Amino acid sequence: DAGVIQSPRHEVTEMGQEVTLRCKPISGHDYLFWYRQTMMRGLELLIYFNNNVPIDDSGMPEDRFSAKMPNASFSTLKIQPSEPRDSAVYFCASSLWERGAQGYTFGSGTRLTVV
Amino acid sequence: AQTVTQSQPEMSVQEAETVTLSCTYDTSESDYYLFWYKQPPSRQMILVIRQEAYKQQNATENRFSVNFQKAAKSFSLKISDSQLGDAAMYFCAYKIQGAQKLVFGQGTRLTINP
Repeated sequence: DAGVIQSPRHEVTEMGQEVTLRCKPISGHDYLFWYRQTMMRGLELLIYFNNNVPIDDSGMPEDRFSAKMPNASFSTLKIQPSEPRDSAVYFCASSLWERGAQGYTFGSGTRLTVV
Repeated sequence: AQTVTQSQPEMSVQEAETVTLSCTYDTSESDYYLFWYKQPPSRQMILVIRQEAYKQQNATENRFSVNFQKAAKSFSLKISDSQLGDAAMYFCAYKIQGAQKLVFGQGTRLTINP
C-alpha cells in the first residue's frame, strides 16, 4: 500500500480564497482523522470519520472549516474563506479499528500558507 | 480531560550516546495506549514505539525503549546509541482503550551532535 496520500504538499493562497486539502487513506482503514499542526498549539484534532461518517468535529475551529468524506477512499478539508491565521501544516491520518492499538498512519501533510 | 506533557522543548546528545525524553500524562482511565512518534524534517509522522497500559513489561524496538511508570503516569523514551538520523521532533501521545482520538504532547526537538 502507498500509505496515506495527501495533496497538495504545499499550498500558498491569498486571504479570502477557498482552499481544499485532499486525503486518500490506506485502503481498508475505517477511521480517518484531520489534524492541524502549529508552533503555538501543537497537533490539534480537527475532525474524524468512521466509515465515512463524521464522528467528532468539535475541533473544527470555525464555520469556515468543513470536511467531507464522500467515500472510503477520499476526504477533503475545505477552508472558505481562508485567513492568515489558518497557516499551518494539515495532516490526514487513518487507522483500522481492530488495530487501534497500533496508532495511526499519517500522511506527509499539507503546508498551507495564507498571505 | 486527558493531557500529555513533554517538559523538555529541546534536547541534545552526542552521537552514540543515550538520551531519555520525558512524557507525563493525566488520565482517570485504567485502559489506554501510549505512543511515541518521530517527526523528522521531512514532516512525516512516524510511529516509533507503543505501550499498552495493562502490560507491565516495557516496550522495546531495537535502540528505542520506554520506561512506563503507570502509577506515576510517566512514559519516557530512551534512545540508545544515538544516530544522526534520530534527529527529529518527538511526540508523546495517548489514546483511551476503545476510543480513537490520539492526544499529543507539545513535542521535544532532539538534536544529535556528531
